[in-house]
Amino acid sequence: DAGVIQSPRHEVTEMGQEVTLRCKPISGHNSLFWYRQTMMRGLELLIYFNNNVPIDDSGMPEDRFSAKMPNASFSTLKIQPSEPRDSAVYFCASSLRVGYGRSGNTIYFGEGSWLTVV
Amino acid sequence: AQKVTQAQTEISVVEKEDVTLDCVYETRDTTYYLFWYKQPPSGELVFLIRRNSFDEQNEISGRYSWNFQKSTSSFNFTITASQVVDSAVYFCALSEPQGAQKLVFGQGTRLTINP
Repeated sequence: DAGVIQSPRHEVTEMGQEVTLRCKPISGHNSLFWYRQTMMRGLELLIYFNNNVPIDDSGMPEDRFSAKMPNASFSTLKIQPSEPRDSAVYFCASSLRVGYGRSGNTIYFGEGSWLTVV
Repeated sequence: AQKVTQAQTEISVVEKEDVTLDCVYETRDTTYYLFWYKQPPSGELVFLIRRNSFDEQNEISGRYSWNFQKSTSSFNFTITASQVVDSAVYFCALSEPQGAQKLVFGQGTRLTINP
């Protein structure tokens, strides 16, 4: 089975440009996560969706960041306008959440999108 | 609030040595999940193990073993007879049982295995 697929793998863009990162979760998974990894802050959750609905976007750094999940097999993370401090690795992850409580689920990550804003 | 601490920032050993990576966590939940992920130089995050808080059995998978001790809030990871291919950054993470089980990560331990 295919894992979480992210594109692009690498992107270099100029400050002020719009950046769109794309993610295809594992088929059948109903939870999707966007994480960001930087040297200073490590891995931090930006936003997560359950059944295509955003549940918690408290990690989104500011209004320049937006995320959508129009259907169960696709999500985007957009940065507009981009700034040099947005340079990071952006990971998309997915899991199959079944019920509550003891039914913990494994979260699988994509290979990441390495973003450099100059 | 949940927190994961990996006190060892970097570890360097010679091939074939055993090495233990420490992980200490904090949570007020009585049910939770602990994870280890590996990030090799290529950058992807690879799932290694998930452990439920109500199952304190240790786990062994080949050269990898995990020691979960609820009394000390620790979930340590040992690599036996280390190999150069084990060189990576290893992350310990904690998730809540409710909601979508979002992960809180430790800062990671960079493990270098020298030939």
